[in-house]
Amino acid sequence: GAGVSQSPSNKVTEKGKDVELRCDPISGHTALYWYRQSLGQGLEFLIYFQGNSAPDKSGLPSDRFSAERTGGSVSTLTIQRTQQEDSAVYLCASSYGQGRTYEQYFGPGTRLTVT
Amino acid sequence: AQTVTQSQPEMSVQEAETVTLSCTYDTSENNYYLFWYKQPPSRQMILVIRQEAYKQQNATENRFSVNFQKAAKSFSLKISDSQLGDTAMYFCAFKSGYQKVTFGTGTKLQVIP
Repeated sequence: GAGVSQSPSNKVTEKGKDVELRCDPISGHTALYWYRQSLGQGLEFLIYFQGNSAPDKSGLPSDRFSAERTGGSVSTLTIQRTQQEDSAVYLCASSYGQGRTYEQYFGPGTRLTVT
Repeated sequence: AQTVTQSQPEMSVQEAETVTLSCTYDTSENNYYLFWYKQPPSRQMILVIRQEAYKQQNATENRFSVNFQKAAKSFSLKISDSQLGDTAMYFCAFKSGYQKVTFGTGTKLQVIP
């Protein structure tokens, strides 16, 4: 079956512009996660959704970052007024549920470069 | 809060040899899952193996096995008969209950022909 997909694969933007990153989870997966991975670093948790609700937004680095999920499916991560430090790979993952037994399936990521 | 530590930023191994990647974690929880994920240059994160904390038997998946030491809070990954396709970043991860997954900083593994 289809895995988690993310678009665009790569995005180059000028400092100060807004960007939208999209994630399509696996059909039927109720939990969705966003992570950021800077060059040579581990995964930094940003936010997770259970259905359309976001119980944990603690990882969003600033109020320039926001995310939404509609219809319990597609999610969009928006970064406003991008800064060079926002350059990273943004990974999305989904899982069947939020319990500890549920494996997360990752998308290929969006590489964001802010110039 | 849980923490996951991978103390080996980079490792290398000869093809067909065995290599062990280390991971330690800190938690006050008793029931949790531990995972090893692989991220090849293509960026696609793939689950390699997982271990349930209440199971004493170490998990194995073909050439991959873990050494889970609950009291020591240690969770190492052993790759036997290393193959060129094993070249990747390997991340150790922890999940408890309904909390988010916590990842280590990763170990970059290079398999040398």
